[in-house]
Amino acid sequence: DGGITQSPKYLFRKEGQNVTLSCEQNLNHDAMYWYRQDPGQGLRLIYYSQIVNDFQKGDIAEGYSVSREKKESFPLTVTSAQKNPTAFYLCASSIAPMNTEAFFGQGTRLTVV
Amino acid sequence: ILNVEQSPQSLHVQEGDSTNFTCSFPSSNFYALHWYRWETAKSPEALFVMTLNGDEKKKGRISATLNTKEGYSYLYIKGSQPEDSATYLCASCSGNTPLVFGKGTRLSVIA
Repeated sequence: DGGITQSPKYLFRKEGQNVTLSCEQNLNHDAMYWYRQDPGQGLRLIYYSQIVNDFQKGDIAEGYSVSREKKESFPLTVTSAQKNPTAFYLCASSIAPMNTEAFFGQGTRLTVV
Repeated sequence: ILNVEQSPQSLHVQEGDSTNFTCSFPSSNFYALHWYRWETAKSPEALFVMTLNGDEKKKGRISATLNTKEGYSYLYIKGSQPEDSATYLCASCSGNTPLVFGKGTRLSVIA
């Protein structure tokens, strides 16, 4: 089955620890994206990558880092510098450019205590 | 930062009613407008992607229109059913910028 997989579904971390969220796709899509959702907010873009070994900051990149070493994988690291990391994180992919639909993972709910 | 607005924020309709929502976006440097349906405990799924002014698209009882000159899109649902209950997301992109999403319209269809 082709699709985009995020893991884990739920994640708990202590404050001050870095944590990495996984996102894998087997759709052969060039572009991948990370969004964050908070209550009452829309999806806000953290980072995106349009090709392997290249990525750009989105609107709320501070405190996050990414890598794109393989076409299939776009992991997101939430660092201790992120002031309010507790949120729902969605990964998406698409055939670049963005005039084609995006496919989303199931999301990871991160809780930092 | 591109600003995409959706209204209303939430909506309750009776089964069988028709309804519509609005998405407004900046008309300058417009590239594409997307509509997604996001059901609880599932991933958002694409409904439509529209790029041309005057585009109208239809999928079953759901249709959408696009006006790029004035910067708005309407999503229509004819004869709402309980399974239509979901959050409907609109997203726009311009030039080389990725999708910017609105906050969504949460639809509840009451049987």
